[in-house]
Amino acid sequence: NAGVTQTPKFRILKIGQSMTLQCTQDMNHNYMYWYRQDPGMGLKLIYYSVGAGITDKGEVPNGYNVSRSTTEDFPLRLELAAPSQTSVYFCASRSPEGRDAKNIQYFGAGTRLSVL
Amino acid sequence: AQSVTQPDIHITVSEGASLELRCNYSYGATPYLFWYVQSPGQGLQLLLKYFSGDTLVQGIKGFEAEFKRSQSSFNLRKPSVHWSDAAEYFCAVSSSNTGKLIFGQGTTLQVKP
Repeated sequence: NAGVTQTPKFRILKIGQSMTLQCTQDMNHNYMYWYRQDPGMGLKLIYYSVGAGITDKGEVPNGYNVSRSTTEDFPLRLELAAPSQTSVYFCASRSPEGRDAKNIQYFGAGTRLSVL
Repeated sequence: AQSVTQPDIHITVSEGASLELRCNYSYGATPYLFWYVQSPGQGLQLLLKYFSGDTLVQGIKGFEAEFKRSQSSFNLRKPSVHWSDAAEYFCAVSSSNTGKLIFGQGTTLQVKP
């Protein structure tokens, strides 16, 4: 069982470039989340989705976009990369049903992004 | 506003010694509380959780945590630390609706031989 898979693991971007961070989960979870992790700051929520076709902003959405066309995939788009977006990005998912109903999120291994 | 505070940024303990990592939260209702661990270069792994009921919860790897509503705390403990416990530890709180997690700043644990 792969769980939550994120690609790529590492990426270096130039200022103004764009890219998409991929996230896919094979647990049939409805809820998916994107966080960014900066040193000494913990993780901050960027966007989340409660199901295919439904997304909403988190705490730090500026400079990012998301889409959710399928249950499995929740890509995060950076349109005009800026140095402030240098961070480690984590995708997570959870199921609202069954034994995992109580908000247990499962995390991917992360994508380390540098914008230079 | 909801928030989580981990007062200790870095903690160093000797292998075999006991450990307590502090976590304080601010939340309007009964919170769902979590501790996650992150090894270097890895994602986050759930150590334990509190939803309701018994305020002392057991987790994986010999960790436990105690929910104290009067102190708004959810401290993580381990009686005897192993070198493999060196990692970063995050306390988090979530709501029951969207499940969005609010994380503390994290505590980095170093284990001395």
